[in-house]
Amino acid sequence: QVTVRESGPALVKPTQTLTLTCTFSGVSVTTSGMCVSWIRQPPGKALEWLALIDWDEDTYYSTSLKTRLTISKDTSKNQVVLTMTNMDPVDTATYYCARISPGPGCSGGMDVWGQGTTVTVSS
Amino acid sequence: DIVMTQSPLSLPVTPGEPASISCRSSQSLLHDNGYNYLDWYVQKPGQSPQLLIYLGSHRASGVPDRFSGSGSGTDFTLKISRVEAEDVGVYYCMQALQATFTFGPGTKLDIK
Repeated sequence: QVTVRESGPALVKPTQTLTLTCTFSGVSVTTSGMCVSWIRQPPGKALEWLALIDWDEDTYYSTSLKTRLTISKDTSKNQVVLTMTNMDPVDTATYYCARISPGPGCSGGMDVWGQGTTVTVSS
Repeated sequence: DIVMTQSPLSLPVTPGEPASISCRSSQSLLHDNGYNYLDWYVQKPGQSPQLLIYLGSHRASGVPDRFSGSGSGTDFTLKISRVEAEDVGVYYCMQALQATFTFGPGTKLDIK
């Protein structure tokens, strides 16, 4: 059974850099066909897709946030890491990590989600 | 970026009755391989989102067969044949054609 758990700071100050970790169990992040996304949801608002990394470590980012985001893998810990620079109060949200089920071109749907980690940006 | 729209944004439904949600994309989601790169998710109150439908019409594992996805190109529909109380939540469509994925605004389904 594949599970995923997000972790990171609950509170960050404006202008700081946020680092979030997504830890997988039951599957290796190096598995061929493995794609992982980060998604966030501000309080009471819709889901917003942020970034994706595939099995070849090709990366893709939200157009509006690409200058602030970096997604990477730590294969020694079976983790996917997201960093977001220059945090602002509007970045307050629950951040989710999700595994994309194998399919042509990371298209199998995000079938395993973590419980999310809530991040508040405030001084 | 591909822009996703949904209608209605609010959907009150009587249990046992059918429900339908429309999703439109600003560009065709039909890939050269014949698949439509469109997913449907539901986020039930207090829970993480969960996958319902992928590639336009393929039900995810464990999803009841009262849920179905249809459509092609730019117009898609999620149908629930008979709504149950447990189906309350916000339903999102999402395009996965471009590696820069985008979600729709969500449709809130609740029980009359």
